[in-house]
Amino acid sequence: NAGVTQTPKFRVLKTGQSMTLLCAQDMNHEYMYWYRQDPGMGLRLIHYSVGEGTTAKGEVPDGYNVSRLKKQNFLLGLESAAPSQTSVYFCASSYGQTNQPQHFGDGTRLSIL
Amino acid sequence: GDSVTQMEGPVTLSEEAFLTINCTYTATGYPSLFWYVQYPGEGLQLLLKATKADDKGSNKGFEATYRKETTSFHLEKGSVQVSDSAVYFCALRAYGQNFVFGPGTRLSVLP
Repeated sequence: NAGVTQTPKFRVLKTGQSMTLLCAQDMNHEYMYWYRQDPGMGLRLIHYSVGEGTTAKGEVPDGYNVSRLKKQNFLLGLESAAPSQTSVYFCASSYGQTNQPQHFGDGTRLSIL
Repeated sequence: GDSVTQMEGPVTLSEEAFLTINCTYTATGYPSLFWYVQYPGEGLQLLLKATKADDKGSNKGFEATYRKETTSFHLEKGSVQVSDSAVYFCALRAYGQNFVFGPGTRLSVLP
C-alpha cells in the first residue's frame, strides 16, 4: 500500500550543489506533479507530466528540471541549488479524469545553505 | 483563470465545537471540488470530494456540499476533536486544467 513515495525525506545542500529528488507511484497514474510549499505561499506547481516521456512547466519552473522516463517515476532536479530553493517539496499523482483526486507523497524537506 | 479563496485562519476552537471553513471558487465550466487535510510533517491527504452541483462529500464526520449557485464548498464538522488540528486545503479541478489549491486554513483544537 505504498501510494506515492518520495526519496529522500530530508537533505541539506550547499549553494551551487546539484541533486535529484525521486518520486515513485504504484497506482498506474498518468499524471504526476511536483510542488513546493513555503510558509504563507501555499502550494506552488513547479512542473508536471501528463504521461511517460512528457513534461510541462508549472507556476514556478525556474531553476528546476524534470524527467519522466518511466510512467511510475518523476524526477525533479536542481542543477545549481540556491538558498531561495529551501522548501518542502511534494510529489503528487492522479488519473487524467477531472473527478479524480491527487495523491501526495510525504514530502522532501530541503535546506540550501 | 481558475481560483480558490478560503479563510486563512488560524482558526482556534475548543474540543466539541462546531467547525466551518469557508471556501469559494471561480472556474469556467463545472469543476470537481476537493478538501484535503495536512497533518504536521505529512503530505496532503484527500478528505472528501464532490463532482457535481448539490453533491455532498463526507468523511470522518466532515461534510461539504457543492453549491453551484454560490460557487462555494464550505467544510463543516459538528464536533471537532484535538486530533483534527491540521491545515485544510480547498481545491478544484476543471476539465483539461491542473488542480488549483486555496492557501490553506490552519485549525487548532484545544482540549
